[in-house]
Amino acid sequence: GAVVSQHPSWVICKSGTSVKIECRSLDFQATTMFWYRQFPKQSLMLMATSNEGSKATYEQGVEKDKFLINHASLTLSTLTVTSAHPEDSSFYICSPGGNEQFFGPGTRLTVL
Amino acid sequence: GIQVEQSPPDLILQEGANSTLRCNFSDSVNNLQWFHQNPWGQLINLFYIPSGTKQNGRLSATTVATERYSLLYISSSQTTDSGVYFCAVVNYGGSQGNLIFGKGTKLSVKP
Repeated sequence: GAVVSQHPSWVICKSGTSVKIECRSLDFQATTMFWYRQFPKQSLMLMATSNEGSKATYEQGVEKDKFLINHASLTLSTLTVTSAHPEDSSFYICSPGGNEQFFGPGTRLTVL
Repeated sequence: GIQVEQSPPDLILQEGANSTLRCNFSDSVNNLQWFHQNPWGQLINLFYIPSGTKQNGRLSATTVATERYSLLYISSSQTTDSGVYFCAVVNYGGSQGNLIFGKGTKLSVKP
């Protein structure tokens, strides 16, 4: 199956700072990358879909100006959480889609 | 949109016991997958099973697409089976191809 990496694995930052999360598809050319978010003790919810060479689409309730997504190549999609606040603390995980879908290892963000 | 319901929400087993986890979905699906989420959050693919039956060691899964449910069987459970099991589906009529997850079944296997 597809091999997906994410960096960093975890990050702790102060409120108001920005954090960039990278998602790389190592053996699969990903024209689409799905970004999910998982709050503690909850399930995974799609937050946005990045598309190579075009604008990302965001799910209802997700602020596009806060969660900046860039998909500049077929192997790299990035999610930047701008001006992070404690309520943004969550587990962020990506997947390039496909028939059988595989996920990166995830990034645990803690905002103090 | 499509609804995915998993049962039971929590399950406690003694090592060696067998269990059945259920996933019901409210519409036709193009894809159904079972995942095990380990304590570090990693989602481990168990089965890609939009229909039919598959087996992998102590685990097996069956999806009856016409009746809109899937079952995951765990036999001779081990403590390492502990974690959260998610069922997730794709319904192309209502999404961009992303997975829609159930709320999961939290399994605890006691030694």
